[in-house]
Amino acid sequence: QQQVKQSPQSLIVQKGGISIINCAYENTAFDYFPWYQQFPGKGPALLIAIRPDVSEKKEGRFTISFNKSAKQFSLHIMDSQPGDSATYFCAAQGLTGGGNKLTFGTGTQLKVEL
Amino acid sequence: SAVISQKPSRDICQRGTSLTIQCQVDSQVTMMFWYRQQPGQSLTLIATANQGSEATYESGFVIDKFPISRPNLTFSTLTVSNMSPEDSSIYLCSVEGGYGGEKLFFGSGTQLSVL
Repeated sequence: QQQVKQSPQSLIVQKGGISIINCAYENTAFDYFPWYQQFPGKGPALLIAIRPDVSEKKEGRFTISFNKSAKQFSLHIMDSQPGDSATYFCAAQGLTGGGNKLTFGTGTQLKVEL
Repeated sequence: SAVISQKPSRDICQRGTSLTIQCQVDSQVTMMFWYRQQPGQSLTLIATANQGSEATYESGFVIDKFPISRPNLTFSTLTVSNMSPEDSSIYLCSVEGGYGGEKLFFGSGTQLSVL
């Protein structure tokens, strides 16, 4: 059972455009929602994360929008750059339930073209 | 942050053989995690390795196929045993960090191809 659904599978954006990746979850026990960025040949690295007590979190050009009632969250990359070309994974975790088992989405391959 | 060194970075192996992947962390950590990333798919947790105790395996993964060692607080190994082409994946070692341990740091992964 896939608990975190991610879309789109791939995305091509022009330089300077906005990249938007969406995720939806099912388990209401999830209370931590990180996004990981992975470059080819590298392991994933934490990009930005949000907890459900806020609806939006911004760090530089990266913003997470969170809709608790819809059980959806999305990553927005403003002014997308070729260096942002990578695979992005959303994830969800139930911190208060103990343990650190992240459930990952299936990933989005982003390509930012000049 | 934690720096994780993973070896080998890639290998091509024959069916029926075994490969041991090493993971070295630059600081002492309680738990180490092993993930599998199949081509075009998500990251799937294989097992959690605590020092001094047996690893805890996720559903669908068994110790006979993926034996894990955790001899100290900075090192772990994952063995992929009796390999088949279906085992071709990227295998990732990770450790937790951050205030509440919610942040995961990953190694660069081991790209395994089984012929």
